[in-house]
Amino acid sequence: QKEVEQNSGPLSVPEGAIASLNCTYSDRGSQSFFWYRQYSGKSPELIMSIYSNGDKEDGRFTAQLNKASQYVSLLIRDSQPSDSATYLCAVNINFGNEKLTFGTGTRLTIIP
Amino acid sequence: NAGVTQTPKFRILKIGQSMTLQCTQDMNHNYMYWYRQDPGMGLKLIYYSVGAGITDKGEVPNGYNVSRSTTEDFPLRLELAAPSQTSVYFCASSYPRRGQGASVSTDTQYFGPGTRLTVL
Repeated sequence: QKEVEQNSGPLSVPEGAIASLNCTYSDRGSQSFFWYRQYSGKSPELIMSIYSNGDKEDGRFTAQLNKASQYVSLLIRDSQPSDSATYLCAVNINFGNEKLTFGTGTRLTIIP
Repeated sequence: NAGVTQTPKFRILKIGQSMTLQCTQDMNHNYMYWYRQDPGMGLKLIYYSVGAGITDKGEVPNGYNVSRSTTEDFPLRLELAAPSQTSVYFCASSYPRRGQGASVSTDTQYFGPGTRLTVL
């Protein structure tokens, strides 16, 4: 089982709708969770970080963490064409670990 | 702050040549990382460092070497370049995140713009 799993997509969402991206992880002791956005040919940039169960909102983005079910999700409200990118989920598998484990990413396309 | 900078942006190597990819950060981060990303794939960790003078292997270290003589710089050396090393290389840095007692972990990683390397 992969440590961090994402559906590779592509995920197509109409403009103005809610895009929902999901990520599951295998290690129950995982502590820190991150969503990165990567445009084609560019480097990953941080969208959200979340450390506690529940929701964390930042503008049109909401990260949701459920440690009991071992998943973390990213919701993008009022999707815009500029949101079209690959979204990478990253997890710090356990505290005391100097490394992040990345999923392979979900490619999101917003359809005008 | 410039953040994380990488040079060169692009490079074409012939098989067997060597080169050094440069990475510098000005955020005083302890932790630095080198990843490679092949087309349509996720990030694979090559080497990382938790401070000056300390480096460790990641998932795919073969064919690469690193050094960390200062907090700011973390160069990646390719010896005897092979076509399998054609990839995009990203450098990243982060602060350590402190937990209870002496345990520390990496937190948010900040990425450089990448170096696109082709080996022919």
